[in-house]
Amino acid sequence: GENVEQHPSTLSVQEGDSAVIKCTYSDSASNYFPWYKQELGKRPQLIIDIRSNVGEKKDQRIAVTLNKTAKHFSLHITETQPEDSAVYFCAAMGSGGYQKVTFGTGTKLQVIP
Amino acid sequence: DAGVIQSPRHEVTEMGQEVTLRCKPISGHDYLFWYRQTMMRGLELLIYFNNNVPIDDSGMPEDRFSAKMPNASFSTLKIQPSEPRDSAVYFCASSWLAGGPPYEQYFGPGTRLTVT
Repeated sequence: GENVEQHPSTLSVQEGDSAVIKCTYSDSASNYFPWYKQELGKRPQLIIDIRSNVGEKKDQRIAVTLNKTAKHFSLHITETQPEDSAVYFCAAMGSGGYQKVTFGTGTKLQVIP
Repeated sequence: DAGVIQSPRHEVTEMGQEVTLRCKPISGHDYLFWYRQTMMRGLELLIYFNNNVPIDDSGMPEDRFSAKMPNASFSTLKIQPSEPRDSAVYFCASSWLAGGPPYEQYFGPGTRLTVT
């Protein structure tokens, strides 16, 4: 089955700096890669996603990149703000019509004001 | 829509007792997922259903865990007997494949289970 590895497990940045979270996946058939944000005590929520036919996607201060050859994808947050502090999960979904998503282990991001 | 509804929000029980967690997915969604979240193991997929049919239960830790989805608007996750190591936050999520991307999974608020 799919295996998703995520690094780093914790990340501290100064407000205004950029943050990068990296993930690798094992199943070359995976074709959809969402990112979820989970604030303390809250539920995970989708913040951005990328499909395998796209190399990069941006949404305001966040962007995701995908390298299918190397089987890795990354989340980039620019101009970080205190409200970006949360746990971020990457995930990978395979093909075949079923929506089984394998999550990474999470990155706890702390933005220091 | 009220989103995914889970009950109870908190459950404290003694070891050996039966625990039943409940979930109502978003109307019209055809996938339902049960996850367990702990500090040590992160977010683990336990089981998921498509159109009320269990598709993959390989994440169910052992026979003490069982899940059912008798209809499109209700699912249960049962632990019998419960053990302290089952203490975790259990999330239910639903999604809609036919709607196309993003294949967002909408999570419920979770049930925090404590087994003493």
